[in-house]
Amino acid sequence: ETGVTQTPRHLVMGMTNKKSLKCEQHLGHNAMYWYKQSAKKPLELMFVYSLEERVENNSVPSRFSPECPNSSHLFLHLHTLQPEDSALYLCASSQDHRTSTDTQYFGPGTRLTVL
Amino acid sequence: AQTVTQSQPEMSVQEAETVTLSCTYDTSENNYYLFWYKQPPSRQMILVIRQEAYKQQNATENRFSVNFQKAAKSFSLKISDSQLGDTAMYFCAFMEQYAGGTSYGKLTFGQGTILTVHP
Repeated sequence: ETGVTQTPRHLVMGMTNKKSLKCEQHLGHNAMYWYKQSAKKPLELMFVYSLEERVENNSVPSRFSPECPNSSHLFLHLHTLQPEDSALYLCASSQDHRTSTDTQYFGPGTRLTVL
Repeated sequence: AQTVTQSQPEMSVQEAETVTLSCTYDTSENNYYLFWYKQPPSRQMILVIRQEAYKQQNATENRFSVNFQKAAKSFSLKISDSQLGDTAMYFCAFMEQYAGGTSYGKLTFGQGTILTVHP
């Protein structure tokens, strides 16, 4: 394991539901990331947080709302999703988002299905 | 904008043989970093190897090595003595050098190559 955990591992929700994805890193890192992995598409960066401050919002629809209460925890709040939002959502962390050579450590992902 | 292309959706190799995965990228930057990540079935994505663009020497990590051709913007991964545990999706990724301010090192991924190692 890489020291990054995600819960739940699988989630099925209706379009009117509200749910949250949780990520926790035990590596003492200062930066955390949300990625979306859809079938047959490259991983897409969604959000970047550094020291609990959002430094990037990569044109993500407002039905995805991130929250970073501290440097170890990252949430992705979901509401009014669409079936095309079904994907694997990956969380990652690194020591410092400004250091390009820092390895990003990934969690196992949450497999989200929107009905 | 940077783009990363992996032209081989799937590859297969016999155990103990060598396989090369291709990756090309497009950028106008001179300083950047390249990565290969491995995502085994139902397991976490992990870093396999990375290369700094300013280094001419190709990176090597045990059985994994890269062929970095900066002028051609090519970054292939060679796996020697393939093992069953190498079966995974492999992603090539690009990161520009941090430029200060609100800029950050964004990872741009290719579409991935599924590698299957056969016994």
